[in-house]
Amino acid sequence: GIQVEQSPPDLILQEGANSTLRCNFSDSVNNLQWFHQNPWGQLINLFYIPSGTKQNGRLSATTVATERYSLLYISSSQTTDSGVYFCASLNTNAGKSTFGDGTTLTVKP
Amino acid sequence: DSGVTQTPKHLITATGQRVTLRCSPRSGDLSVYWYQQSLDQGLQFLIQYYNGEERAKGNILERFSAQQFPDLHSELNLSSLELGDSALYFCASSVDWNYEQYFGPGTRLTVT
Repeated sequence: GIQVEQSPPDLILQEGANSTLRCNFSDSVNNLQWFHQNPWGQLINLFYIPSGTKQNGRLSATTVATERYSLLYISSSQTTDSGVYFCASLNTNAGKSTFGDGTTLTVKP
Repeated sequence: DSGVTQTPKHLITATGQRVTLRCSPRSGDLSVYWYQQSLDQGLQFLIQYYNGEERAKGNILERFSAQQFPDLHSELNLSSLELGDSALYFCASSVDWNYEQYFGPGTRLTVT
């Protein structure tokens, strides 16, 4: 099945800093999502981005499907951004979803 | 709030028992997905239903089964429970089988 790799596994930032999280996938995908899992365990949709670039406030994401990667940008980070960020792909043919192992972000005040 | 509801929020049971987790998708969504999140395995896809029919199967154990009912709610049945089944179980829904997924708050299962 498809493999999804996220980097870095852990990231510690000072409040106000910017960061880039990366997601590589082993095969072509036509459904790519980014999620934030907050400290209470809730999975929050950030972006549904099979290709192209999207922005939502301080967050933006870019997926280059032909090169099999996606990037999540967080600008002016806040302590509430802390948590685990997951990317996930859905393989159209097999219909199975695959999550990466996540990037654990800690933003210090 | 994603619009996906799951019950119960917490469940504590003993090894060998059977439990049922319930999920109601967002209004209008036809597809339901089940996931297991444990500390050592990360987020694992279990199974997907679309409009009452099984659409895709992932790493679901034979002791586990699921179904989607005509009103589109879904249930995940876990039987002969083992300590290793302790995990957070998520349900997600999407409007169609290959669209953006929205996750419920999860059911935290503890097997003692």
